[in-house]
Amino acid sequence: KQEVTQIPAALSVPEGENLVLNCSFTDSAIYNLQWFRQDPGKGLTSLLLIQSSQREQTSGRLNASLDKSSGRSTLYIAASQPGDSATYLCAVNTDKLIFGTGTRLQVFP
Amino acid sequence: NAGVTQTPKFQVLKTGQSMTLQCAQDMNHEYMSWYRQDPGMGLRLIHYSVGAGITDQGEVPNGYNVSRSTTEDFPLRLLSAAPSQTSVYFCASSYDMQRTYEQYFGPGTRLTVT
Repeated sequence: KQEVTQIPAALSVPEGENLVLNCSFTDSAIYNLQWFRQDPGKGLTSLLLIQSSQREQTSGRLNASLDKSSGRSTLYIAASQPGDSATYLCAVNTDKLIFGTGTRLQVFP
Repeated sequence: NAGVTQTPKFQVLKTGQSMTLQCAQDMNHEYMSWYRQDPGMGLRLIHYSVGAGITDQGEVPNGYNVSRSTTEDFPLRLLSAAPSQTSVYFCASSYDMQRTYEQYFGPGTRLTVT
């Protein structure tokens, strides 16, 4: 059974820091991996989608990597801003999306 | 292009009542799904559909029914609400689950069962 784990569960950093969020999964047979952002009381916004054949994807200050053989993905956020404060979720696609429980990020001025 | 829409945004039910959560998408997506989100549990798949007329169960299907009569709509029915169904419900859609397409989520329905 596929299990997805995100570490840390919560993170608080000062503005301007570069930070890394981690996602690990137990079964490497995935189609892709998707990172989402969720603001309190809101829905999920897709940030990055990495195909199983890819190693990384970039969008602005965000960079996501995927190491399928080791069951790991990281989301790198450069020069963090207070507006980045949210919960970040990763999900692996095995013909169903299996979610981690998220990392709650707070960036303070 | 409205994306994925859900109604209602909030709902309070008494135990034993039934209701339907509505979900619609205007992106011509074949794949649609329902999730529930509970504190500490993450999002869990309830039911999904790979096209009109085809539905299947996810991880936590008990107490819920779905149907898919059109490509656009995928309603979720609670047959007899229980307090354990208090949760936030999200609908999602994608072109095709087994390919390279990302999933789009609706804004959610916050349901409380008393």
